[in-house]
Amino acid sequence: AQSVSQHNHHVILSEAASLELGCNYSYGGTVNLFWYVQYPGQHLQLLLKYFSGDPLVKGIKGFEAEFIKSKFSFNLRKPSVQWSDTAEYFCAVKKGTASKLTFGTGTRLQVTL
Amino acid sequence: DAMVIQNPRYQVTQFGKPVTLSCSQTLNHNVMYWYQQKSSQAPKLLFHYYDKDFNNEADTPDNFQSRRPNTSFCFLDIRSPGLGDAAMYLCATSREARAGYGETQYFGPGTRLLVL
Repeated sequence: AQSVSQHNHHVILSEAASLELGCNYSYGGTVNLFWYVQYPGQHLQLLLKYFSGDPLVKGIKGFEAEFIKSKFSFNLRKPSVQWSDTAEYFCAVKKGTASKLTFGTGTRLQVTL
Repeated sequence: DAMVIQNPRYQVTQFGKPVTLSCSQTLNHNVMYWYQQKSSQAPKLLFHYYDKDFNNEADTPDNFQSRRPNTSFCFLDIRSPGLGDAAMYLCATSREARAGYGETQYFGPGTRLLVL
């Protein structure tokens, strides 16, 4: 069965620190990759996505992610976090033409002033 | 603004008492999904409608049913809620083409279900 792993469950950073959240998946075929963010009290929102082409994708609010096929990874990065980035971040994978989205367990990011 | 709407935001029901959660969308997307998200866990797909075609996940309990009377609305029915069904229920939509790759899913705010 396909699985998505987010190894960091809870990350605490000071403002202006750099961020990298890990995401690995187990499926070997063609995949679509997503990062969703859930701010406190709000619904899941798309941060960025990879379907094809340039493996380095840029999303909203200065986030980017790099798809490394050989490592089955899609790590999320931001060079300088802000307090407003405090949220839960979910990596998700769709395989091929299937509709099903498989989520990781999420990483709770807390940014301190 | 086009969006995915879920009502109610909070639902309290009694053990064994049927409950229905609703989802509507103004995006005119052809696919609608229901996810269950328990505390500190990943959202888990229960089922989805691809147009009028219902697609159940293999591990979704029979206690969970769904209806989609038209493109805009989709309902989640829990026939006999147990304490273990207390969770956030998320509705999502996407515009999919059978021959193409999956598209982005857009989520509603969720309905938090409490079972007493």
